[in-house]
Order: sequence, then structure tokens, then C-alpha cells
Amino acid sequence: KNQVEQSPQSLIILEGKNCTLQCNYTVSPFSNLRWYKQDTGRGPVSLTIMTFSENTKSNGRYTATLDADTKQSSLHITASQLSDSASYICVVSRNSNDYKLSFGAGTTVTVRA
Amino acid sequence: EPEVTQTPSHQVTQMGQEVILRCVPISNHLYFYWYRQILGQKVEFLVSFYNNEISEKSEIFDDQFSVERPDGSNFTLKIRSTKLEDSAMYFCASRTDTQYFGPGTRLTVL
Repeated sequence: KNQVEQSPQSLIILEGKNCTLQCNYTVSPFSNLRWYKQDTGRGPVSLTIMTFSENTKSNGRYTATLDADTKQSSLHITASQLSDSASYICVVSRNSNDYKLSFGAGTTVTVRA
Repeated sequence: EPEVTQTPSHQVTQMGQEVILRCVPISNHLYFYWYRQILGQKVEFLVSFYNNEISEKSEIFDDQFSVERPDGSNFTLKIRSTKLEDSAMYFCASRTDTQYFGPGTRLTVL
């Protein structure tokens, strides 16, 4: 079954600190993996997208990694800010036509001053 | 920056009533999607739409649901007879390569 599992479910960090979120997937075939940020009550916003051949991609203070062999990805947030408080969702696409995405349950990050 | 818009932001309806959720995708996008997210749960795919027809739909998307692109700009999701369990956030998305999501419509069925 096509699954996307994220950990931890939630975490709290102090402003200025770093954190890393994990994503494991069993989706097959694999086309690409994205990380989305979802603020409460809002739609997901794309942070990064990586294909099979890419193993790292950055977007500002966000850095995503991908190991397609072990089917694992991580999202690293550097020097966290209060505005980073949100749910971070790992999403895997099975084909380049992107007809259907498999969503993880998300990791809720709370940044405290 | 272009964005996907959705109306209304919040819809309250009585069980058994029909609702239409509206979306205006980004203008040069050709692929359109509806997703839902029940409170506290993960986002779930409902349906994809391309070239004026459904490309793929999930098991959630039963006969009570329908989609339409009535003109060149709007993309709608209709629920014919709402149930309590239809209460959720409904997200529209459109894409060329990466999907862009709208802000969502919160549907509350009483």
C-alpha cells in the first residue's frame, strides 16, 4: 500500500534553534517528493520538490534531503523563527503526470520565543 | 504572484442539502484537483480534472460528488446531499508542474 509516514508527530523548539523532520515512504513507483508547509486553516504551500536523482534541495532556511534507496527524506529547518510554526507535510507523487499525491499526516512544529 | 482562490471561506449547511464549493485556478494551469482534510487528519485526494473530464478519482469521490468547469475560469465541487462526515476543509489545487493549493473552504454540516 502507498504510505507516507512522518515523525515526530509534533515538536516544540526555541526560536533560533534547528530541527529535523523525517519522512519514510513506501509509495511505488516513485516520481517526486515534496515538502509543504501548512499554516493553521490555510492550504499547503510548496517548500521543495525533489526527483529520484536529487538528494538535497534548499529553500532559504529549509533544506530537504532524499535517499531514494532507503525511501527516506528529511526536512531541516535552520535558525527557526516564530513564523515557522506550522504543519510540515511530506507528499509523494507516483508519476510525473502528478494525478494523485500521497500525503503524510504532517509534523506540527511550534517555535517558542 | 498568481494564486488559487476559493469561495466561500466557510460554508455552513444542513445535512441533506446541496453545496457548491468554488475555485478559481491559476489562469494558465490545465490540471485541477480537489482534496479534503478532516480536522486533525491528513489531506486526502478526491479528484483530478484535465481537458474537461475527470482524470482520476478516489474511493471517497462517490456519486454524491461531482466537479465541473462551467466556464474558462471556475472549477467547482458539488456535494449533492451532504452528510455530517462531509465536514472538512476542502482544498482546490491547480498546476503546470507543481501543484498550488488554494486557501480552502471550511465546510460544516449540521
